[in-house]
Amino acid sequence: GAGVSQSPSNKVTEKGKDVELRCDPISGHTALYWYRQRLGQGLEFLIYFQGNSAPDKSGLPSDRFSAERTGESVSTLTIQRTQQEDSAVYLCATSNTEAFFGQGTRLTVV
Amino acid sequence: SQQGEEDPQALSIQEGENATMNCSYKTSINNLQWYRQNSGRGLVHLILIRSNEREKHSGRLRVTLDTSKKSSSLLITASRAADTASYFCATVLGGGSRLTFGEGTQLTVNP
Repeated sequence: GAGVSQSPSNKVTEKGKDVELRCDPISGHTALYWYRQRLGQGLEFLIYFQGNSAPDKSGLPSDRFSAERTGESVSTLTIQRTQQEDSAVYLCATSNTEAFFGQGTRLTVV
Repeated sequence: SQQGEEDPQALSIQEGENATMNCSYKTSINNLQWYRQNSGRGLVHLILIRSNEREKHSGRLRVTLDTSKKSSSLLITASRAADTASYFCATVLGGGSRLTFGEGTQLTVNP
C-alpha cells in the first residue's frame, strides 16, 4: 500500500485479556518502530526492527509486551494480560531515512 | 532523560506571527528531523537536516542546526490557525541507530 497501515484503529478490551496490534509497513522500508503515546504526552519508544538484525527491545515496559517482524514484512505487537495503564495510542512507523507513521491503534483497557 | 528535548512545552501565538520551537540533544547525531502531529494520531514528517548542514528551508518552515550547541530550531513563518499541532524533533544517533523523539511542543495559533 501507499502508507503504513495499522489495525485495528481502535480496540477496547477487558483487563487481563491479551491483545494483538498489527502494522503493515511501506514496502521496502527496512526499519520499523513501535511507540506508545499516552494522552498529552510524547512518544515512548518500545521496540525497533532493522532488517534482519536482532531487534532493539530496550523500550518494552514489561515482559507482557512482545513484538515480532519477519524480514521486512508485517509486524505484530502483543500485550498479554492487559492492564489499565496500557491504555494509550500505539504508533507504528517505518523508514529508510525519514519515518512514516501509521494512524495508530487506540487501546482502551477497561 | 530524552535524547531530544523541545522547548517551550507549549506556545500560543496569533495568526500571522512567527513561531519558533527549539530542540536540544545530548550525543552526536547523523541527522535531526522535525515532525508534526494533529489530534494525537500519526506523525507527519516535515523536514530532515543532516549533521553537516546548518540550515534548511521548506515553504514556510526554516530549520537550523548547531552541532556545537547540540541544538536545532524550527521556525514557522506567517503562522496560520491550521498550523495548530504538536511538533516533535527526532534524532538518529551517530552510528545509525534508532529514531528517538522528544516530548514535543504544543503550538496553538489563534485566529
